Amino acid sequence: GAVVSQHPSWVICKSGTSVKIECRSLDFQATTMFWYRQFPKQSLMLMATSNEGSKATYEQGVEKDKFLINHASLTLSTLTVTSAHPEDSSFYICSAIVRTSDTDTQYFGPGTRLTVL
Amino acid sequence: QKEVEQNSGPLSVPEGAIASLNCTYSDRVSQSFFWYRQYSGKSPELIMSIYSNGDKEDGRFTAQLNKASQYVSLLIRDSQPSDSATYLCAVKGLRNTGFQKLVFGTGTRLLVSP
Repeated sequence: GAVVSQHPSWVICKSGTSVKIECRSLDFQATTMFWYRQFPKQSLMLMATSNEGSKATYEQGVEKDKFLINHASLTLSTLTVTSAHPEDSSFYICSAIVRTSDTDTQYFGPGTRLTVL
Repeated sequence: QKEVEQNSGPLSVPEGAIASLNCTYSDRVSQSFFWYRQYSGKSPELIMSIYSNGDKEDGRFTAQLNKASQYVSLLIRDSQPSDSATYLCAVKGLRNTGFQKLVFGTGTRLLVSP
């Protein structure tokens, strides 16, 4: 399957600071990437759809000014959690779409565990 | 009614048995169906995709799709303890979500005992 990487794999930061998470498609170009958040023992929650060269589309209830998404190239999308607070502590996972002539398949990155103190 | 429904489990099976995981979805226009496996603390890993009615086999895994009944299942033959994980059913092409997005069920936790 296609390879999606994330960096960092985990991060601990102080409350009020900003944290940037990178998502890269390593062996394919991804015009569309997705950002998810998952709290312990809960299901994946889609935060936003990131399209290369355009503004991200956020899901209802997700603050676009707090979770800044930039998809500046076909292999890189970034999520910046601004002014992070303890309630933002979560597992953040990106995914990217691999398109063939007749199907779209989503592959996930390994995730980034954010802990805000 | 949830858009994608799964029994949360846990589903417990002995090693070597067949594990059967089920998923129903609400929107008849859905076209693509996926099963992901998620180990605790890890991100989801794609196991199978299925697009047409019937069965699709890949090694010990068989996905079954019945669009008339809006039902998709995953069978795991010769279950191993290493198969113990949460299995997520995902559906693409739901009318009210946009056709690119995947809608996930809450997952079924599978426990395979040695």
